[in-house]
Amino acid sequence: AQSVSQHNHHVILSEAASLELGCNYSYGGTVNLFWYVQYPGQHLQLLLKYFSGDPLVKGIKGFEAEFIKSKFSFNLRKPSVQWSDTAEYFCAVKDYGGSQGNLIFGKGTKLSVKP
Amino acid sequence: AAGVIQSPRHLIKEKRETATLKCYPIPRHDTVYWYQQGPGQDPQFLISFYEKMQSDKGSIPDRFSAQQFSDYHSELNMSSLELGDSALYFCASSLENSPLHFGNGTRLTVT
Repeated sequence: AQSVSQHNHHVILSEAASLELGCNYSYGGTVNLFWYVQYPGQHLQLLLKYFSGDPLVKGIKGFEAEFIKSKFSFNLRKPSVQWSDTAEYFCAVKDYGGSQGNLIFGKGTKLSVKP
Repeated sequence: AAGVIQSPRHLIKEKRETATLKCYPIPRHDTVYWYQQGPGQDPQFLISFYEKMQSDKGSIPDRFSAQQFSDYHSELNMSSLELGDSALYFCASSLENSPLHFGNGTRLTVT
């Protein structure tokens, strides 16, 4: 069965620090990959997605992620975080042929940015 | 812009009671998805509907059922509630293969 692992449960950074959140998935076939963000008290929002093509994907708010097929990884990065990036971040994977919403989520990483 | 609306925001029920959660998708979105997120857990896909027909099924218990109505809103019906059903229930909607838009969720507490 597919699964998604997010290595860090809680990350605490100071403003302007660089961010990298790890995500690994287990699935042998072609997948679509996503990062979602959930700000405190708000709904999940799509940050970025990878379907095919350039493995370096740029998303909203300065986030990017790199798909490394050989490592089954899709790590999220941001060069300089802001206090407003405090949120929970979920990596998700979908079977390429699967329905749009049948996503497998990781357990999430809470990011706390200190001003 | 209109978002996905879920009601109620909070719901408290006792064991063995039933609960109905509602989801109103973004206008013109034709697909609705339901997820369950237990405390400290990742969201789990339950079920989805496309054009009022069930399109995919995930880890939805047999005690739960759902449907999508002619106005595209969807309801998740939960019977014989158990303590373990306490969770945040998200609904999302999309149009064809557009990105999912999530609602704020309904927090169900079973006592």
